[in-house]
Order: sequence, then structure tokens, then C-alpha cells
Amino acid sequence: NAGVTQTPKFRVLKTGQSMTLLCAQDMNHEYMYWYRQDPGMGLRLIHYSVGEGTTAKGEVPDGYNVSRLKKQNFLLGLESAAPSQTSVYFCASSYEAGRGYTFGSGTRLTVV
Amino acid sequence: GQNIDQPTEMTATEGAIVQINCTYQTSGFNGLFWYQQHAGEAPTFLSYNVLDGLEEKGRFSSFLSRSKGYSYLLLKELQMKDSASYLCAVRGRNTNAGKSTFGDGTTLTVKP
Repeated sequence: NAGVTQTPKFRVLKTGQSMTLLCAQDMNHEYMYWYRQDPGMGLRLIHYSVGEGTTAKGEVPDGYNVSRLKKQNFLLGLESAAPSQTSVYFCASSYEAGRGYTFGSGTRLTVV
Repeated sequence: GQNIDQPTEMTATEGAIVQINCTYQTSGFNGLFWYQQHAGEAPTFLSYNVLDGLEEKGRFSSFLSRSKGYSYLLLKELQMKDSASYLCAVRGRNTNAGKSTFGDGTTLTVKP
């Protein structure tokens, strides 16, 4: 049972490049989330999904897009990367709203 | 909006007891979570409180007072491996999405 898997684990992008971060969970969870974590700061919610085919904006959505075409996958896209998007990105999922999250291992992204 | 406050750093001695406090101000409240995050790793779920009182899980306990907007995480019989960041997270209104807002975390250092 893999839990929540994020790919890639590390990536360096040049300003203006695009990329997609993949999150996959095998726990049949309905809810999925993308957070970013910057040094000395808490996790900030980028986008989330309450089920297949649904997405919604979180606290810091600008510069990101998401898709949830299949229940087990939640993709985070950066269309034109900026240095301000240098961060560690965590995907999380939960079975229902009242449960704690299961996190992926994170993606460390550097934009130069 | 939501505002969550935790101390930035704490230090304690192996074998001792430490209490990490969290205060919050939210537009609605539907639960408080504690997560543990070791350096360079993903957060892992520790506890969930939705009603007032103490929840105990082995060496870890979590307390909630909704009227005071206050929670604490109590760690007993500290071990070196407990050195980590502890994140307080609150689930507010619009809870169908299960979204949580995180504090900046408390970095706990356990010394021999």
C-alpha cells in the first residue's frame, strides 16, 4: 500500500518554463489537496478537490492550475514558473472531511 | 479568515514532559489537528480534537478548549526522535471540503 505518491521529488526550472506535479493515492480517498511550504512558514493551501472532476481554489492559487480527471490522481500545473514559486509542494488526501490528512513525501521545486 | 499562533521554538530534555500551545481565531470551527514533521520529511497526523477535553494516545495527548480558542499537545517521556516540528491545524467553516489552515509550526529540540 503506497499511500500518497508524488512525482517528481526534485526539480529545477527556469523562469517561464512550465511543469506538472503529479499526486497519486491508492486509498480511495475523496478529498485531495495541494499545499506549499516555505522556510519557517506553515503549509498554505493552493487548490483542493472534493471528488473526481471537481477542483476549487485555496488560499494561494495564483500561478497554478489543477485537474482531477481520475479519483486517484490530482495534478498541479505551473504554466509559467516564477522564482516566487520556489518551494516544497505537498499533496495530501483524506477519506472524509473530518479525518486527518495523509501526505505525500513532497516535491522540492527551485525556479531560477 | 483564520489566525493560528504557536511558539516558534522550544527546547526540552530527554525523558521530560513538554507542552506545545496553539491558539486560534476562526470564523467557524470544526476541528483541530496536530501533525509532526521531521526535517526534510512530510507531516504525519498525530491527533484530532473536535470536542472539549483531552485525547490521549500513548505518549502524546492533545487538549482542546473551544471557548478559549486554545489547544495544546503534550509529549511525555521525551525521546531524541521527538525532535521535530509540530504543526497545529484548524478546520473552519465550509467544512465539506475538509480544508485545514496550518500554523507556522513549533520546532522542538530534545537534548540529552
